[in-house]
Amino acid sequence: EDQVTQSPEALRLQEGESSSLNCSYTVSGLRGLFWYRQDPGKGPEFLFTLYSAGEEKEKERLKATLTKKESFLHITAPKPEDSATYLCAVLRGGSNYKLTFGKGTLLTVNP
Amino acid sequence: EAQVTQNPRYLITVTGKKLTVTCSQNMNHEYMSWYRQDPGLGLRQIYYSMNVEVTDKGDVPEGYKVSRKEKRNFPLILESPSPNQTSLYFCASSLSGGDLSYEQYFGPGTRLTVT
Repeated sequence: EDQVTQSPEALRLQEGESSSLNCSYTVSGLRGLFWYRQDPGKGPEFLFTLYSAGEEKEKERLKATLTKKESFLHITAPKPEDSATYLCAVLRGGSNYKLTFGKGTLLTVNP
Repeated sequence: EAQVTQNPRYLITVTGKKLTVTCSQNMNHEYMSWYRQDPGLGLRQIYYSMNVEVTDKGDVPEGYKVSRKEKRNFPLILESPSPNQTSLYFCASSLSGGDLSYEQYFGPGTRLTVT
């Protein structure tokens, strides 16, 4: 069974204080790892897809990296508008395009 | 604007009264899926549809039905809702296909309360 564990569950940062979120996964034949951002009461918003170990993607203050067992979402000099829940999901190889999600990390950035 | 739309956005109903939540996408996506999101449990897949010919169960299909008669629409049907189906529901779609286009795009959500 595919498993995705995100840590920490919640993270509180001061504006400008860089940090990282972790996503550990167990999946048979990883086809892709996805990061989403979710604001309260809204649908998840796609951020990144990573396909193979060593791959990195960047978008503004966010940078996602991938190893064979985990992914990190690095947040550099965060701003209050970066406050949200960040979700990690894995896609198993094969004919079923089923995403398995982690429970997310609630990030709060204080001004 | 490329988007996934869901209706209704909010619904309060009573046990046993059949309801349908509609989902539509305008991106010509092949793949569509339904999720429910509950506190402490995260997002769980209910049903998915690879294309108009293939639909299958996800992790939590009990009590739900789906229909994919056309590419853009994927309604979620609760034949006899029960209180344990009170949840936040999301529809998602993806281009999928043979290349690396698996990102799923989510609708705004439907908050369902069954009393």
